[in-house]
Amino acid sequence: DAGVIQSPRHEVTEMGQEVTLRCKPISGHNSLFWYRQTMMRGLELLIYFNNNVPIDDSGMPEDRFSAKMPNASFSTLKIQPSEPRDSAVYFCASSLAGLGNYGYTFGSGTRLTVV
Amino acid sequence: EDQVTQSPEALRLQEGESSSLNCSYTVSGLRGLFWYRQDPGKGPEFLFTLYSAGEEKEKERLKATLTKKESFLHITAPKPEDSATYLCAVQASGGSNYKLTFGKGTLLTVNP
Repeated sequence: DAGVIQSPRHEVTEMGQEVTLRCKPISGHNSLFWYRQTMMRGLELLIYFNNNVPIDDSGMPEDRFSAKMPNASFSTLKIQPSEPRDSAVYFCASSLAGLGNYGYTFGSGTRLTVV
Repeated sequence: EDQVTQSPEALRLQEGESSSLNCSYTVSGLRGLFWYRQDPGKGPEFLFTLYSAGEEKEKERLKATLTKKESFLHITAPKPEDSATYLCAVQASGGSNYKLTFGKGTLLTVNP
């Protein structure tokens, strides 16, 4: 299996622009997570999907952030409009049935820089 | 609110010099404690899960242990390829048991 695939790997955008991050989970995994990593705050859960349905979006910072999972093999995280404080590494992770004995499998992340 | 504190923030060792990383946690009810390794430019990679005080798990030069308040990751005779950031995370029991709360990590550098 190719693992969790995220694109793009790097994104540089100007403040106010729309940014879309993409994720393909591991085939057969029914739980998908979006995390954000910064030096100040570490890894923080943004949103959790189970069977393509958003279960917990309490970590989404504000209305500028939205996430979708139209099918079992694809998810997007959108920021509109983007701000410099959104600069971070965004990780997608997937697992079988929530958090199993082996935790999540993470993708390689998207490094977002908003200038 | 669940909290995880890792120390030290950074640790530099010589090859072969054993040491330990600490992970202190506060959680309403611990379901599991996870250790991950993160290499630069990559996502965290699963190492261990511990469930109860007194439990130990080993993998090559790494051994993880758990008490009611903290976990230790012991590194025996490290090699340069062990250099990475080590992350600790807790899973709480209850309704949000799908969620991991992470510490900020310990950056380990092993010099040859």
